[in-house]
Parts: sequence; C-alpha cells; structure tokens
Amino acid sequence: GQQLNQSPQSMFIQEGEDVSMNCTSSSIFNTWLWYKQDPGEGPVLLIALYKAGELTSNGRLTAQFGITRKDSFLNISASIPSDVGIYFCAGLGLMKTSYDKVIFGPGTSLSVIP
Amino acid sequence: GAGVSQTPSNKVTEKGKYVELRCDPISGHTALYWYRQSLGQGPEFLIYFQGTGAADDSGLPNDRFFAVRPEGSVSTLKIQRTERGDSAVYLCASSFPGSGANVLTFGAGSRLTVL
Repeated sequence: GQQLNQSPQSMFIQEGEDVSMNCTSSSIFNTWLWYKQDPGEGPVLLIALYKAGELTSNGRLTAQFGITRKDSFLNISASIPSDVGIYFCAGLGLMKTSYDKVIFGPGTSLSVIP
Repeated sequence: GAGVSQTPSNKVTEKGKYVELRCDPISGHTALYWYRQSLGQGPEFLIYFQGTGAADDSGLPNDRFFAVRPEGSVSTLKIQRTERGDSAVYLCASSFPGSGANVLTFGAGSRLTVL
C-alpha cells in the first residue's frame, strides 16, 4: 500500500534558525498537504499543494510539491517557540482516481530552544 | 457547529468491552473521515464517508470495528470486544469535497485506553 516517509524524525533547533523537513512517497499523489499537530489536539492544515513543482508560502512557511509527485518539502524560516509540534505530510488522490483518502506520514517532531 | 466535535474526549475501558465514539462534523461538510493515531505515529486511515455511505472502509483493521453515519452528519465509530492494542487516539475529520482544497478539519480526538 501507499507509504510516506518523513525526515528527519525529530529536530532540536535554536529559536531564530530556519527549519527544513521533507516527505517522500512510494506512490504518486495529486495533492500534498502539510499539517501541524499540538499536544492533545487534532492536526491543523498549514499548506496545500496541488500541482507538481508548485511552491507555496504561508507566512514563514514555504512548501513545494516535487516534480516527480513523490515528494514534498516544508521550510520554516526564523523559527519561534510556538513552532514546536509535530509536522505531518499527507498525500491525497492517487493518479487516475478520484480517491479522497488522505494518507499521513509518521511526522517530524520539532523542538525550539529559546 | 464551528468545528469538529468528538466525544468522549477520554474513554477508559476494560478488555472485551464495547465502545462507541462519536463525531459531530462541521455543518454542511459531506465528507467524514475516521483516523487512528498511536503514540508517536501519524494518523492511520480507517474509513471515509461521503454522505451516509462508506466510500472506503479499507482501513478498518478487522470486523470488530464498524462505523455508521445514518443521516449524513454525525458518525459513530463502534469497537466490539476491545483489545489492549486498540488503545489510541481516534481522530475524526470532515471536509467539503469540491472546494478545491479538500481540506480536512480535525477534531481533538477521543483517547481510548483499553486496560
């Protein structure tokens, strides 16, 4: 079945540093999503990507949909303490289907040291 | 409601008992998803409803798990003969397909502990 891999598994960074994390898949997806989850809460959507090669920003966050449709990355610039959490990539919509099943990666845990 | 509401927020039960978890999606959202999240892992797809019908139940781990959405709004996830391995956070999400984003809005989850 479909499987997503995320790296790194965890990160410890100083406040103000930039962060980069990525997600790879064994399958092609039509849409890539990046979510953030805080403790005790459900994941919250950060960025959605719909086209191969697409680069999208949301404030200090930037994400790209890989050309091969099998990968995506998320960058966070000038990290702040509230960036702490677990970041999940998710893929949606296998090629040639109208599937709406969203598959999540295992997550990247981000810790920010003030 | 304003967001996705899940009840109970916490459920502790004994092995072998029956459990129901409820999800009240955002009003007007026709799609509803159930996910299971174990500690340190990403959400694992269980089942997806489009309206009243289960469009994809391929993620249900076995026949002890069942979900319904009889009126196309509230959904109940039912687990029979619970096992310790069923302990996890069960997340519900809803969306409005066709909006161009298929953005899943998640509830806070129901944490199930099977003793």
